[in-house]
Amino acid sequence: GESVGLHLPTLSVQEGDNSIINCAYSNSASDYFIWYKQESGKGPQFIIDIRSNMDKRQGQRVTVLLNKTVKHLSLQIAATQPGDSAVYFCAETLMDTGRRALTFGSGTRLQVQP
Amino acid sequence: GAVVSQHPSWVICKSGTSVKIECRSLDFQATTMFWYRQFPKQSLMLMATSNEGSKATYEQGVEKDKFLINHASLTLSTLTVTSAHPEDSSFYICSAPGQGPRISYNEQFFGPGTRLTVL
Repeated sequence: GESVGLHLPTLSVQEGDNSIINCAYSNSASDYFIWYKQESGKGPQFIIDIRSNMDKRQGQRVTVLLNKTVKHLSLQIAATQPGDSAVYFCAETLMDTGRRALTFGSGTRLQVQP
Repeated sequence: GAVVSQHPSWVICKSGTSVKIECRSLDFQATTMFWYRQFPKQSLMLMATSNEGSKATYEQGVEKDKFLINHASLTLSTLTVTSAHPEDSSFYICSAPGQGPRISYNEQFFGPGTRLTVL
């Protein structure tokens, strides 16, 4: 069951700095990974994804790095802006199971100081 | 891009009553939808997989008789929380994987969520 009283880890950065958010995923068989941004009271918003046959993928201002050896994902946000303040979740899944449900990581709150 | 809506966006109910939450895919068909639950300051936890035309698949620890799921059409799944209690208060979010030639296989579209508060 769910735990109570958890507090999301928080990363606080200055506007314009680069942010790095880390995530440890659980299933070594997972072959597809996604980063989501969630603002308060809203559903998750897709940021960037990566397949297990890659170790790096870049988008606009964001980069995802995948280290399968240690089951680690990171999200790098360049020139962080106040609008980037939100909770960030990584998610993993198996693409070939036919069901594509996602397993979410525990999340990190990003606070951008103006 | 594809849009998933949820209704209502928030609901307050008395303990013991039932609440229905709707999840709709607005511009694409979804034979499968997923229901997640999110408690404050926690992550999203998969509750069940809703399958059009067949029974839902529930995750371990989720009571199927308490969380009734109906996926009666290719664009609508409903989650009914029966005999709701304060511990059921949570943020319920649905999602639908992309299907069809216009949508990437990889994409999964999330609804905006429904905040349930049980008094």
